[in-house]
Amino acid sequence: KAGVTQTPRYLIKTRGQQVTLSCSPISGHRSVSWYQQTPGQGLQFLFEYFSETQRNKGNFPGRFSGRQFSNSRSEMNVSTLELGDSALYLCASSSETGGGNTIYFGEGSWLTVV
Amino acid sequence: TQLLEQSPQFLSIQEGENLTVYCNSSSVFSSLQWYRQEPGEGPVLLVTVVTGGEVKKLKRLTFQFGDARKDSSLHITAAQPGDTGLYLCAGPKGGGADGLTFGKGTHLIIQP
Repeated sequence: KAGVTQTPRYLIKTRGQQVTLSCSPISGHRSVSWYQQTPGQGLQFLFEYFSETQRNKGNFPGRFSGRQFSNSRSEMNVSTLELGDSALYLCASSSETGGGNTIYFGEGSWLTVV
Repeated sequence: TQLLEQSPQFLSIQEGENLTVYCNSSSVFSSLQWYRQEPGEGPVLLVTVVTGGEVKKLKRLTFQFGDARKDSSLHITAAQPGDTGLYLCAGPKGGGADGLTFGKGTHLIIQP
């Protein structure tokens, strides 16, 4: 059974640009959540989608957005990139929504903003 | 917002030694999870503890959930270089919100 797949794995963007990251969950999983990981702040919850609906959102500015498609694949977008957005962005999927369920992480997308 | 504090932040020990890392909060969690993350990879779930006082063993790793469900510990016996990684604890955000809140982790290095 294939794991969570994230693309691209590495990317470099310039300040002010926007970026779109993609996540394909484990087959049959309907919940996809996104996290940002930085050395200073650790792993922070961005948002979760379940059946194409955003369930919850973390404390990030509106520049961070996401969506989920009918096949459960998800994308997140960051507009007007800032240097501080440089981070590892992790996607995780689970079969059901809710914080107590087992989630499976992808390998992440490394974003560097210069 | 429920916070999880992990200690120590960094730990470097020799192969064969024992160690304990901690995850503490002032809030009660319905459950806590422990993950290990290796460089270049996403976190991998090791265990979920649910009941206060619960102890779970995974080979040389022993996980304990505090009686009050506010803290947890991970004890590794006879550490091996393969145990090297970032150990993260996480719990449901609570208050009806979905998603997990994570501690900042313990960076563990086991030297041969």
